[in-house]
Amino acid sequence: EVQLLESGGGLVQPGGSLRLSCAASGFNLRTYVMNWVRQAPGKGLEWVSGITDGTGRTYYADSVKGRFTISRDNSKNTVYLQMNSLRAEDTAEYFCARDKSLHIWGQGTLVTVSS
Amino acid sequence: DIVLTQTPLSLSVTPGQPASISCKSSQSLLHSDGKTYLYWYLQRPGQPPQLLIYEVSIRFSGVPDRFSGSGSGTDFTLRISRVEAGDVGVYYCMQGLQLPKTFGQGTKLEIK
Repeated sequence: EVQLLESGGGLVQPGGSLRLSCAASGFNLRTYVMNWVRQAPGKGLEWVSGITDGTGRTYYADSVKGRFTISRDNSKNTVYLQMNSLRAEDTAEYFCARDKSLHIWGQGTLVTVSS
Repeated sequence: DIVLTQTPLSLSVTPGQPASISCKSSQSLLHSDGKTYLYWYLQRPGQPPQLLIYEVSIRFSGVPDRFSGSGSGTDFTLRISRVEAGDVGVYYCMQGLQLPKTFGQGTKLEIK
């Protein structure tokens, strides 16, 4: 069964860091574009970052550029989102999603940035 | 960035009745490859979004044929022919033509 499982969320102080993981099962992650999408409490969806298959080119929303880094470990079939210099407005549920069409989603992991 | 505007933002529908959601884009979503990269998702309460429709009108695997998508260029519509209780949630359109991918504000569907 094709599945995505996010982990790594939690409570962090403003200015702190977290690394989210998205473990894939049932498919080879290296052959797909992978994305991170977030949803602030009670709000809509915001695409955050993507990494291509093959060469692993990375892309970011302006709101996180320079602070977040997406990466992929093919040996672990896992995608990561390293989040630095976190702000209160980064508080959200973070989902990973497969492919350009976002046709498979994980259940999400909650990140809360608060002092 | 491409802006997607959904209307209405909420609707209340009697089971068995149809429903329609509009999504208007700030620019054409037609790619030079001939495809139009407009998607529809449903997020049920407490769940991640799920893909319903891709490239305007193609139903994703397992999506009932009660759901249909139409439109071109900048104007798109999601229709549900007969609403069921399990259709409640928030519907989002998304454009995949250019980065950043952007979503509409969402349309909340509830059952009367």
